Amino acid sequence: DTGVSQNPRHKITKRGQNVTFRCDPISEHNRLYWYRQTLGQGPEFLTYFQNEAQLEKSRLLSDRFSAERPKGSFSTLEIQRTEQGDSAMYLCASSYRGNTEAFFGQGTRLTVV
Amino acid sequence: QKEVEQNSGPLSVPEGAIASLNCTYSDRGSQSFFWYRQYSGKSPELIMSIYSNGDKEDGRFTAQLNKASQYVSLLIRDSQPSDSATYLCAGALSNDYKLSFGAGTTVTVRA
Repeated sequence: DTGVSQNPRHKITKRGQNVTFRCDPISEHNRLYWYRQTLGQGPEFLTYFQNEAQLEKSRLLSDRFSAERPKGSFSTLEIQRTEQGDSAMYLCASSYRGNTEAFFGQGTRLTVV
Repeated sequence: QKEVEQNSGPLSVPEGAIASLNCTYSDRGSQSFFWYRQYSGKSPELIMSIYSNGDKEDGRFTAQLNKASQYVSLLIRDSQPSDSATYLCAGALSNDYKLSFGAGTTVTVRA
């Protein structure tokens, strides 16, 4: 399977704990995006990388959130001191250079209790 | 005002009918538009992309773009129960790669 892969698929955590999600993009895709989706809403942009450079961060991305993409391959999204409002589906997508068509992974559903 | 607005659903159509979905956008700088299908509990799946005014057909799907009216639509012909899903409209600015999504329209195809 050469699609976008996300792990874990589900995560339940207690409020205040830190969580980390991983995304492996489609090979040769140089752009990688993180979105967050809550029930009944469309995905909201969080941040994106071109190769290893993080080019843009949404104001939705508070200082508790950090994302990395070392060596321009996989990416991680870490949430520190989780809050109940962080409960959502976290979606990763990737696109090929010069192309705005983005393909999504299966998502990581986070539940903060 | 949200950058991308979709007509409120849910939309219920009988099997074999045409489902018509509408989307408007506020930023005239938007150049690329996409329709994603999302089944309940799953992630969005890209089904159509459109970049220039007019119609684009792919199988039973037709996307229409009117930049003057800032309007995008998706037609699903010969609707099947398997088309029952939420359809998300998304747009991107010409010098940008991030997508702005609408809230989605839920379609139910009645057998």
